[in-house]
Amino acid sequence: AQTVTQSQPEMSVQEAETVTLSCTYDTSESNYYLFWYKQPPSRQMILVIRQEAYKQQNATENRFSVNFQKAAKSFSLKISDSQLGDTAMYFCAFRGSQGNLIFGKGTKLSVKP
Amino acid sequence: GAGVSQSPSNKVTEKGKDVELRCDPISGHTALYWYRQSLGQGLEFLIYFQGNSAPDKSGLPSDRFSAERTGGSVSTLTIQRTQQEDSAVYLCASSLVGTGGLSSYEQYFGPGTRLTVT
Repeated sequence: AQTVTQSQPEMSVQEAETVTLSCTYDTSESNYYLFWYKQPPSRQMILVIRQEAYKQQNATENRFSVNFQKAAKSFSLKISDSQLGDTAMYFCAFRGSQGNLIFGKGTKLSVKP
Repeated sequence: GAGVSQSPSNKVTEKGKDVELRCDPISGHTALYWYRQSLGQGLEFLIYFQGNSAPDKSGLPSDRFSAERTGGSVSTLTIQRTQQEDSAVYLCASSLVGTGGLSSYEQYFGPGTRLTVT
């Protein structure tokens, strides 16, 4: 069975600084997809960034980038130039052949002014 | 275009009553998913509909939970004889699975229904 682990329940960062959120996963599948979702207090889950396992190049979306290490089964999220609006829960998610997403427990990120 | 919508946004019910939660996916999305988000268990998969295929019910926690998807669009999640441990936020998501490419696997979430069982 696949599992997703986020080892940092809470993190904080000063505005304009950089923060990295960790995620590791376990799977025996070779082809899968990884995602980071953001959930602000409004409860709406918002897709931040996605990565295809067969692509070696790390995905980047504006201030958000990932460090994907397939052999290590690691998928960390880096947020550069942190903004107050980045304050939210961040969930790492895995999609394999089964179809549904498997989520980590989440990391609560607070951006401080 | 409209995103995924869910209703009601909040529902308070008495223990033992039945509840129905509704999800309207993004038009054209063939796949629909239900998840449950609770403090103790995090985000859990409940059920997955893909086109006309039989749904994947492997995440349903008990036979009190059921879901249907009519006409390949709207879905209803029904919880019978609600218990206090059913209190959670129920999230619905949809995606374009099957068309190929990473974008077809992206799941778009609704705002959720917060269910409180008293």
